[in-house]
Amino acid sequence: DAKTTQPNSMESNEEEPVHLPCNHSTISGTDYIHWYRQLPSQGPEYVIHGLTSNVNNRMASLAIAEDRKSSTLILHRATLRDAAVYYCILTPPSNNNDMRFGAGTRLTVKP
Amino acid sequence: DTGVSQDPRHKITKRGQNVTFRCDPISEHNRLYWYRQTLGQGPEFLTYFQNEAQLEKSRLLSDRFSAERPKGSFSTLEIQRTEQGDSAMYLCASSFLDSNEKLFFGSGTQLSVL
Repeated sequence: DAKTTQPNSMESNEEEPVHLPCNHSTISGTDYIHWYRQLPSQGPEYVIHGLTSNVNNRMASLAIAEDRKSSTLILHRATLRDAAVYYCILTPPSNNNDMRFGAGTRLTVKP
Repeated sequence: DTGVSQDPRHKITKRGQNVTFRCDPISEHNRLYWYRQTLGQGPEFLTYFQNEAQLEKSRLLSDRFSAERPKGSFSTLEIQRTEQGDSAMYLCASSFLDSNEKLFFGSGTQLSVL
């Protein structure tokens, strides 16, 4: 399975943008890139996913490098409610909802 | 639609006892997943079902663990002869088999083995 590498933790100030990086140098040409987040005492929740092109939704933006060896989750204006563990996950095309989680990045948002 | 429901939310048991957890997925979802999560770690895949068929089991799922999904609706995860190392959050997720379909997770069952 292709693996991802994320920083253990990051800090942000409230109402500022946050860029959460993810390295996936062994990604195959058809793996999808997914981001989930886990708020305290809850199960993970879907944030965004993409294949090659950058993606935007109401929660976040996903910027994918041209060589697809890395990606960045962008929260445009962090709020206290965005404090969570963020997971970057690759899935094979044969099983696009087969999520295998790493340790993720713990995001702290300071008021 | 109330989302993925897990019961109980918390379970405290003594070592050696059997425990069973239940997961009710979103009604039209045909895939159901079980994960285990310990403190400070991401969720670890245990097993998944497509309808009533159990299609994959992780090596983490020892012989003491058994999961079922009769009739392709709710699922149960049973742990026999619990050990202290089984203490963890057990998460259930469901999805509709389709390209790029996302997983919806329940809030989990927190198991403490004393």
